[in-house]
Amino acid sequence: GAVVSQHPSRVICKSGTSVKIECRSLDFQATTMFWYRQFPKQSLMLMATSNEGSKATYEQGVEKDKFLINHASLTLSTLTVTSAHPEDSSFYICSASDLETQYFGPGTRLLVL
Amino acid sequence: SQQGEEDPQALSIQEGENATMNCSYKTSINNLQWYRQNSGRGLVHLILIRSNEREKHSGRLRVTLDTSKKSSSLLITASRAADTASYFCATGRGSTLGRLYFGRGTQLTVWP
Repeated sequence: GAVVSQHPSRVICKSGTSVKIECRSLDFQATTMFWYRQFPKQSLMLMATSNEGSKATYEQGVEKDKFLINHASLTLSTLTVTSAHPEDSSFYICSASDLETQYFGPGTRLLVL
Repeated sequence: SQQGEEDPQALSIQEGENATMNCSYKTSINNLQWYRQNSGRGLVHLILIRSNEREKHSGRLRVTLDTSKKSSSLLITASRAADTASYFCATGRGSTLGRLYFGRGTQLTVWP
C-alpha cells in the first residue's frame, strides 16, 4: 500500500506554545488528506478534511483557529496546534486518500506540559 | 462522527484459534474497510469490500458483507501472537469521497 509519513513522531512542549505536525504522502499524490485525533483505547475522531489548494473542512466542535491546517501541495499537509494546552495532549494521526482507501501515517504523540 | 460498531469490544484467544470480529453500521455504504492498529501506531489497511460484494479473502483474512443486515465480519484464521492489535471497521459513503466513518474497534489479544 501507499506510504504516508508523519513528523515528528513525538513532541513534548510547554503550555502556550504552537506545534506543527507534518504529513507527507511519499509515493502518490493525495488531493485529500484527513486529520484525526485519538484518545487512549478509543476510536479515531475526525478533526478535519484537508484538500490541496483550498481551505480545510472542519468537523463540528473542532476549532479551526486552534488547529490550523495547510495543504500546500499534493504530498504535504500540516496541522498546527496553536497555543497548546494540556487538554490538547493526544495522539494525532493523518491519512492520505486515493478517494477510496485511506493510508495512515504512524501518528504523532503530543504531550503538553 | 462514528458509523460502525464493532463487537466484541475485546477478544482474547490462543494462537492457532480463529478470531471473528463483527461490525454493524446504520446507513447505506459504498464500501466497508477493515484496518488494524498496533498500540501507539497508525492504522494499516487490511481489506476493502464493496457494497456489491459478499465475501473477500486476503491471506488468512476473510471478510463478509451483508448489506441487508448492515453488517460485516472479519475472520482471522490460525491466529498468531503477532495478530494482537486493535481492529477497526470503517465505512465509505458516496457523499464525501474518501471520507471514512470508523467504529470503536475490537481489541484482539492472541496468547502464545
